[in-house]
Amino acid sequence: EPEVTQTPSHQVTQMGQEVILRCVPISNHLYFYWYRQILGQKVEFLVSFYNNEISEKSEIFDDQFSVERPDGSNFTLKIRSTKLEDSAMYFCASSGEANTEAFFGQGTRLTVV
Amino acid sequence: DQQVKQNSPSLSVQEGRISILNCDYTNSMFDYFLWYKKYPAEGPTFLISISSIKDKNEDGRFTVFLNKSAKHLSLHIVPSQPGDSAVYFCAAKVDGQNFVFGPGTRLSVLP
Repeated sequence: EPEVTQTPSHQVTQMGQEVILRCVPISNHLYFYWYRQILGQKVEFLVSFYNNEISEKSEIFDDQFSVERPDGSNFTLKIRSTKLEDSAMYFCASSGEANTEAFFGQGTRLTVV
Repeated sequence: DQQVKQNSPSLSVQEGRISILNCDYTNSMFDYFLWYKKYPAEGPTFLISISSIKDKNEDGRFTVFLNKSAKHLSLHIVPSQPGDSAVYFCAAKVDGQNFVFGPGTRLSVLP
């Protein structure tokens, strides 16, 4: 069964460092998302991506964040200068059509120290 | 501004009985609704969805009911099993926009 895969599963980084979280969406999907969940809090939308551009982003997704689909299979989230409050589980998701279910990866736990 | 609300943070149910998880929303533009199940340290797993043109969708032990006039949906699990113990998220979307998640309800199914 096709699945969304995310690497690494856990990333520890020092405050101020850049991190890149990687995702391989399901191969024939067209819509891509990043969400995050801070420990004990709700799942929050960060950004959606369609047709090689950002289609929607939340207030969380400020200038420190960027996304890229560099090679037609990977979908990456970059945080330029990490802050302590960026510590969270980051989930990548993809869906085939605009109004169908999104399938989520297992997440990357980002810990900023 | 919580567009999707799950007012019960937790629910305990005896194995074999029905679990009813509730969700309310405020945005009348939402036209697609989903339920996800999440285990600790894993990503949300899609369970079942319903379009706004329907009021019920069933898949095995899972049934979702939508009451558009009340802006309310519910997930029924019958019969509940211990493996159903997880956090359940209600999500909603407007066509072409992102999925908005509720805060989740932790379901515990007791043997």
